[in-house]
Amino acid sequence: DAKTTQPNSMESNEEEPVHLPCNHSTISGTDYIHWYRQLPSQGPEYVIHGLTSNVNNRMASLAIAEDRKSSTLILHRATLRDAAVYYCILRESGNRKLIWGLGTSLAVNP
Amino acid sequence: EAQVTQNPRYLITVTGKKLTVTCSQNMNHEYMSWYRQDPGLGLRQIYYSMNVEVTDKGDVPEGYKVSRKEKRNFPLILESPSPNQTSLYFCASSRLTTGDGYTFGSGTRLTVV
Repeated sequence: DAKTTQPNSMESNEEEPVHLPCNHSTISGTDYIHWYRQLPSQGPEYVIHGLTSNVNNRMASLAIAEDRKSSTLILHRATLRDAAVYYCILRESGNRKLIWGLGTSLAVNP
Repeated sequence: EAQVTQNPRYLITVTGKKLTVTCSQNMNHEYMSWYRQDPGLGLRQIYYSMNVEVTDKGDVPEGYKVSRKEKRNFPLILESPSPNQTSLYFCASSRLTTGDGYTFGSGTRLTVV
């Protein structure tokens, strides 16, 4: 199973952009890169996903390195409600499984 | 509203007393899965199902059973719960398309004493 590596924690200030890095050096050609976040006392929430190209949606942007061995989740303007644990995950094409790490705990300062 | 509904949210039970945690989704998703979340271990997959009557083991299936008789429901059964099954459980669903995101339920906090 391909794994991801993320920093344990990061801190940001409100209204500033946040770049959350993820390394996935053993990614296979058909694995999708997914990002989820989990707010305290809630279930994980889908944020964004991509395969090769950079992606944007209303929540965030995903920048994928050309060799696909790393990616970055970008929150353009952090709010206090963005304080959560962010998971970078690879979704295998075969059994559709998500391999979860421990994620990055993001603190947002007012 | 598109959602995955789990019940109950909280459950305290005794060792050996059979229990079922229900999971239902209203999005016509083919894929459903159960995870448990433990401190320091992250989320680990228990069982998954790619469609009705199709289920398979995840990473930590011991002590659990599932069934998928209807597309919308995927109950998790603990025939003889033990204290090491005390955990936070999440049900999730998605379309089969590899790129699609999962929708998760709100979780069931189970304590086995």
